[in-house]
Amino acid sequence: AAGVIQSPRHLIKEKRETATLKCYPIPRHDTVYWYQQGPGQDPQFLISFYEKMQSDKGSIPDRFSAQQFSDYHSELNMSSLELGDSALYFCASSSPTSGGEVDTQYFGPGTRLTVL
Amino acid sequence: AQKVTQAQTEISVVEKEDVTLDCVYETRDTTYYLFWYKQPPSGELVFLIRRNSFDEQNEISGRYSWNFQKSTSSFNFTITASQVVDSAVYFCALSEGFGNEKLTFGTGTRLTIIP
Repeated sequence: AAGVIQSPRHLIKEKRETATLKCYPIPRHDTVYWYQQGPGQDPQFLISFYEKMQSDKGSIPDRFSAQQFSDYHSELNMSSLELGDSALYFCASSSPTSGGEVDTQYFGPGTRLTVL
Repeated sequence: AQKVTQAQTEISVVEKEDVTLDCVYETRDTTYYLFWYKQPPSGELVFLIRRNSFDEQNEISGRYSWNFQKSTSSFNFTITASQVVDSAVYFCALSEGFGNEKLTFGTGTRLTIIP
């Protein structure tokens, strides 16, 4: 079965540089979520999109922005990178719900960002 | 505000022993969903199970079983006859309300199975 695809898998950047992470959801999934997982920590919700519109926002720095495109893939743009941005960034996707039922979020393999 | 607590930071057991991972949650919503995810050393997050607040039936899937008790706000996970491949960090997570909402994770339990 097709899974969530994230690229790149690894990324090394210098402080103050920019980075773009990409996420391709499972086919026919219309909701995309971004999470950040620092070393030894649990994943923290950043932002989500439903049908190309932002649906929820968590503790995402103003230096970060994201969008979902017409083909449902999503990109997380990170500017003025700081050492503390070094983390594993996960994208997850879920399928359309009916009757208010919550669907499971399936996670991609993550992008490991290292800021030097 | 929603909160998930996994009090066990690390657990080590000898292979073939049974082990239970605890999860306690807090929410003001009457409708919510609980999840368990596994994160092996390779780093990916693997979905294991989902439960909604209206379904307190316990579930068994092979060596895995889950005990959901609303009265104690707990959703515990048991692995029977543990194997080395079970070594991973296990996260319990909560999603409130209807529709596709964000997950709030617990801090995770690192499980090590000793051969």
